[in-house]
Amino acid sequence: DSGVTQTPKHLITATGQRVTLRCSPRSGDLSVYWYQQSLDQGLQFLIQYYNGEERAKGNILERFSAQQFPDLHSELNLSSLELGDSALYFCASSEGHSLEQYFGPGTRLTVT
Amino acid sequence: AQKITQTQPGMFVQEKEAVTLDCTYDTSDQSYGLFWYKQPSSGEMIFLIYQGSYDEQNATEGRYSLNFQKARKSANLVISASQLGDSAMYFCAMREGRFGQNFVFGPGTRLSVLP
Repeated sequence: DSGVTQTPKHLITATGQRVTLRCSPRSGDLSVYWYQQSLDQGLQFLIQYYNGEERAKGNILERFSAQQFPDLHSELNLSSLELGDSALYFCASSEGHSLEQYFGPGTRLTVT
Repeated sequence: AQKITQTQPGMFVQEKEAVTLDCTYDTSDQSYGLFWYKQPSSGEMIFLIYQGSYDEQNATEGRYSLNFQKARKSANLVISASQLGDSAMYFCAMREGRFGQNFVFGPGTRLSVLP
């Protein structure tokens, strides 16, 4: 158990809908990272927050957004969902922004 | 250009033998970090080992060691005394950037340990 929690574990929704994925980092970790893992694209970095502020952006679509709240939990919002958004979404946390990351169990999103 | 290359899509190893999983990387940063993660069939990502670019000694964590050859830009993972539970996908990753904010994963190697 990495100490990072993600909810929900599974999510099934229809195209065009909007969903919110939630992540609670390990106690004391200030950085939160979001990743998308799909069969064709592999593991892709989406976005990083550090102590509430956006720190780095990766391959995140404009339809996706994220935020980190004062209690350091983070949410990833996915809107106008497409079939291709079906993937495993991981959240990871680290103490700072330069140390190893610990991953949550992931949220498996299926868009039908 | 690929930042992280893992040339072995799949590997087989006999139980109790050692295995090396290859990883080469590409960066122009002087300061960077290299990581290996394990992803079993259950899906979670498990941190295994870390090597900093300025670390002079190869990192070791139990049965895992990282063979770091900076001039060759390679960071191979060595698993000694393989166990059936080592069967999984293994990802090499690199952190680079001024604040270490760029985190890139390789395509992974699927390791199968044979009884």
